[in-house]
Amino acid sequence: DAGVIQSPRHEVTEMGQEVTLRCKPISGHDYLFWYRQTMMRGLELLIYFNNNVPIDDSGMPEDRFSAKMPNASFSTLKIQPSEPRDSAVYFCASSFGLNEKLFFGSGTQLSVL
Amino acid sequence: LAKTTQPISMDSYEGQEVNITCSHNNIATNDYITWYQQFPSQGPRFIIQGYKTKVTNEVASLFIPADRKSSTLSLPRVSLSDTAVYYCLVGGRRGFKTIFGAGTRLFVKA
Repeated sequence: DAGVIQSPRHEVTEMGQEVTLRCKPISGHDYLFWYRQTMMRGLELLIYFNNNVPIDDSGMPEDRFSAKMPNASFSTLKIQPSEPRDSAVYFCASSFGLNEKLFFGSGTQLSVL
Repeated sequence: LAKTTQPISMDSYEGQEVNITCSHNNIATNDYITWYQQFPSQGPRFIIQGYKTKVTNEVASLFIPADRKSSTLSLPRVSLSDTAVYYCLVGGRRGFKTIFGAGTRLFVKA
């Protein structure tokens, strides 16, 4: 398996633009997580899914953020409109079972100018 | 969720054994202890997980005392490539989401 695949690797956009981050989990994994990492706040859990269903989105910072998982092999995290304070590295991770071993993608470095 | 406390940073030299201790005083009966490693520009990578006593794999050992209020990650004979941030997590196998703390920044010097 190629592991968790995230795209794009880097994204530079202007304030107010819509940003869509993509994630392909490891085949067979039933949990998918979206994290955000910044120097100030560290690694924050935004939302996680189980069998494509959002279970806990309490970490999503505000309504500008939304996440979907239309099928077992694909998830998106959307920010609309984007703001400079959204600049961070966004990681997607998947696992087989909750709190089992997490496998992380390489992340998307987002810069909002 | 059990809160964890780790040193913010540690320095070591190549070839030394490094022990990173994590405190988790309010760990619950069904909580497991998991350690991750993160290199710059990469996502965290699972190192080891345990419930009690000692667990060893090809990368590290995890020591957990009987009261389980702390745990120690032991890295034998570190090299420069072990320079990374190490995270200690505590949570149950079911029903708890994985939350990362601040981690310990290990710097290995030549």
